[in-house]
Amino acid sequence: AQKITQTQPGMFVQEKEAVTLDCTYDTSDPSYGLFWYKQPSSGEMIFLIYQGSYDQQNATEGRYSLNFQKARKSANLVISASQLGDSAMYFCAMREAFNNRKLIWGLGTSLAVNP
Amino acid sequence: EAQVTQNPRYLITVTGKKLTVTCSQNMNHEYMSWYRQDPGLGLRQIYYSMNVEVTDKGDVPEGYKVSRKEKRNFPLILESPSPNQTSLYFCASGQGNSPLHFGNGTRLTVT
Repeated sequence: AQKITQTQPGMFVQEKEAVTLDCTYDTSDPSYGLFWYKQPSSGEMIFLIYQGSYDQQNATEGRYSLNFQKARKSANLVISASQLGDSAMYFCAMREAFNNRKLIWGLGTSLAVNP
Repeated sequence: EAQVTQNPRYLITVTGKKLTVTCSQNMNHEYMSWYRQDPGLGLRQIYYSMNVEVTDKGDVPEGYKVSRKEKRNFPLILESPSPNQTSLYFCASGQGNSPLHFGNGTRLTVT
């Protein structure tokens, strides 16, 4: 069963606008971590933001914030003031405490920022 | 600079010709892992290592070997590559609950 679901294969956003990329997850482990990575066309995997299941506040890193709704099991990435360089694939991933040997990945969302 | 270094970035080879993709990290991380990325399948774990001389299979280990003789190095070995191993490969390292650091990827084509 897929544990990370990213329902938006592709998204468009106008430059300078905000965009939300969806991620829902499924786990029975009360302790877990959620990650977002960016993969530009050059291929490298860039860490963006992390949210722990016990964190009281939503994570923020510069223009990136994570809208963490634990009861709904969602961890959406919000990018504010989109830039052309934000055009990339975005992956949501989860690591469960009971099996912290690997990340479970979503299939990604392709974001295109239009000038 | 903290980094994970993978080599080569691009590799084209023929079926059956043994190859090694190297991975090295300078962060003294205990955990290292190899992933492959394929369209529509996302990232899948091949092998991982929790420490020196400790390696274990991930989700798709068939056709691959790894070794962890030193903490910093975690090479991926394809003894007899086949076309279905054409993929984008990533090495990653981490410590505790911190995010994984990824190498820049190796794009392998097996003809």
